[in-house]
Amino acid sequence: SQQGEEDPQALSIQEGENATMNCSYKTSINNLQWYRQNSGRGLVHLILIRSNEREKHSGRLRVTLDTSKKSSSLLITASRAADTASYFCATVTIQGAQKLVFGQGTRLTINP
Amino acid sequence: ETGVTQSPTHLIKTRGQQVTLRCSSQSGHNTVSWYQQALGQGPQFIFQYYREEENGRGNFPPRFSGLQFPNYSSELNVNALELDDSALYLCASRRTGTPYNEQFFGPGTRLTVL
Repeated sequence: SQQGEEDPQALSIQEGENATMNCSYKTSINNLQWYRQNSGRGLVHLILIRSNEREKHSGRLRVTLDTSKKSSSLLITASRAADTASYFCATVTIQGAQKLVFGQGTRLTINP
Repeated sequence: ETGVTQSPTHLIKTRGQQVTLRCSSQSGHNTVSWYQQALGQGPQFIFQYYREEENGRGNFPPRFSGLQFPNYSSELNVNALELDDSALYLCASRRTGTPYNEQFFGPGTRLTVL
């Protein structure tokens, strides 16, 4: 079963605008990661935020984590056509095998 | 380019057959995980191997099995294929040490079961 739930399921914006995607999860986590997937191919790691961190930046990406609400958000600023992809959040739990538990993803379309 | 390769890229099988998918990890990555991604869904964890032994398994039946080899390659075997096994199969490798280690995904194998 999937732990994370992304919101929205699909997002379409104009190039240059900012895109915000949200993720909620159910159990206690060690860290949360965001991945990008182009056209049903392999996943590319974007950013990792630890459970004791609240915000992290990487280039045009900004991730926030609220462990009290069990939620995270990914902000992509100044979007480009090349950002068109599916974005997934994935959690790593504290116990057991260090597996990634993915949400269902947000399909982002950047219109030129 | 993640340094993780998978073969074949695409595969078509019929119900009841058996299939073997292969993954080659980055050198030094002693942990490999396999995921199944159905169309329109997020990947689901199948199992994980560390030093050639399974050390974690998701909610998948025993007909899903795996092997990991000393040369950082691994296999996913699926017996008695069912129509619902049609999916993208992804392997991911990482260096074991901390849970903060990034996982590197291969491009996937698209399996179609007819």
